[in-house]
Amino acid sequence: EVQLVESGGGLVQPGRSLRLSCATSGFTFGDYTFNWVRQAPGMGLEWVGFTRRTVDGGTSEYAASVKGRFTISRDDSKSIAYLQMNSLKTEDTALYYCTRDLQWNMDVWGKGTTVIVSS
Amino acid sequence: QTVVTQEPSLTVSPGGTVTLTCASSTGAVTSGFYPNWFQQKPGQAPKSLIYSTVNKHSWTPARFSGSLLGGKAALTLSGVQPEDEADYYCLLYYVGPQPWVFGGGTKLTVL
Repeated sequence: EVQLVESGGGLVQPGRSLRLSCATSGFTFGDYTFNWVRQAPGMGLEWVGFTRRTVDGGTSEYAASVKGRFTISRDDSKSIAYLQMNSLKTEDTALYYCTRDLQWNMDVWGKGTTVIVSS
Repeated sequence: QTVVTQEPSLTVSPGGTVTLTCASSTGAVTSGFYPNWFQQKPGQAPKSLIYSTVNKHSWTPARFSGSLLGGKAALTLSGVQPEDEADYYCLLYYVGPQPWVFGGGTKLTVL
């Protein structure tokens, strides 16, 4: 069964850091790009960024709202994608989803992990 | 900054047909934007319905179809069921530093 399971969310003070993980199973991790998407309470979906497949360079792209603060990485040996979030702001409070992507097709999503940034 | 626009809300009767659209502030949406459509019900993660404009997954009900319509991406529901009441989001791909942009979502009410 294909699964993506996010973890690492929690309550954090503004300016601090948090690292989210997306553990996967049931498919070949290295075949996919992985995106992070977030949803603030009562709001719509916002694309955060992605990490390309290692064969495509493993590079990442980010939304303007998080560029320079967030870093997405991947460990193909562990089948895990990461979202390192630094200099967190209250507006980063959201449910963070991980989704796999093969040729512009985000077919499977995790259930998400909640991040609350508050003093 | 690129903006993707969807109808904020639509209402349809059970058994009816409704079309949701997805427009880009950059101009006409083409297949090169690889439109994706997602359904999200309260308390659940988004679920992919359509990718690359028209392609369905094995789990996508036949009553859902994707297309390009008048310079926009479109999602048509034919023979709407009560369980189709949900939020629907489109997602477009742009060549450049911020490749993916979601629309603001359409709240579909079945009444």
